Amino acid sequence: NAGVMQNPRHLVRRRGQEARLRCSPMKGHSHVYWYRQLPEEGLKFMVYLQKENIIDESGMPKERFSAEFPKEGPSILRIQQVVRGDSAAYFCASSPMETGNTIYFGEGSWLTVV
Amino acid sequence: QQQVKQSPQSLIVQKGGISIINCAYENTAFDYFPWYQQFPGKGPALLIAIRPDVSEKKEGRFTISFNKSAKQFSLHIMDSQPGDSATYFCAASMENQGGKLIFGQGTELSVKP
Repeated sequence: NAGVMQNPRHLVRRRGQEARLRCSPMKGHSHVYWYRQLPEEGLKFMVYLQKENIIDESGMPKERFSAEFPKEGPSILRIQQVVRGDSAAYFCASSPMETGNTIYFGEGSWLTVV
Repeated sequence: QQQVKQSPQSLIVQKGGISIINCAYENTAFDYFPWYQQFPGKGPALLIAIRPDVSEKKEGRFTISFNKSAKQFSLHIMDSQPGDSATYFCAASMENQGGKLIFGQGTELSVKP
C-alpha cells in the first residue's frame, strides 16, 4: 500500500495523558498536513510541515499541541494533557512538492478521551 | 472571509437521479476548488477539482460547475448509485498555501435503491 499511513487507527486516552499520532506520507512526498475532524463537522487545517520544518501552524491550538516531521521517520502529532474536547478524528495528508494544492489523505486516527 | 459554506447538510436521492451539492466562498484569492468523498471510518478521497479559469469540469459521472462572478461552485453526480452514499466536502485554497484547504461543513448523501 503506497498510500498515506497513519497509526494508531484508534486510540483511547484518559484525561491528562498524552496522545501521539504518527503519519508516514506517500512515497516521494515531502509535504505533510494535519487536519482535525470533530464529530459532525468538517475538516479543519492544523499544521503544514516539510522535513524538519514547520511551514504553517496557524490552525494549531496554542497549548498542548505540537507537530514535527523529522529528517528520518514519520511525522508526529503530539497532544499533551488531553481533554475530552480533543476527542476527534485526526487526518494526515501528504503531497509531492510539484503538485501544488493536491493532497492525499490517510485513513485517520480516531482519538477518544475518557 | 476564509469560510466555505456548503449546502445542503443532507440529501436523499433516488437511484439514477442527479445529486447536486453547492458551495459558496468569499475570498477571491482562492484559486483551487476540490471535492472530497468520505465514507464512514475512512479518510477523505479526492474526487475532482477545478481552477477558476474553467467553468466546468467533468470526470465520469462527476461534474464541477464553477461560477466565478457569483463565487459559487457545485458538484453534480449523474446517475447516482447507492455506492455513492457518503459525505461530500467541498474545499478551497490559495496557490501559495499548498495543501492548506478550507473545507465546507459537508453533505451527507444517501442514494436510495
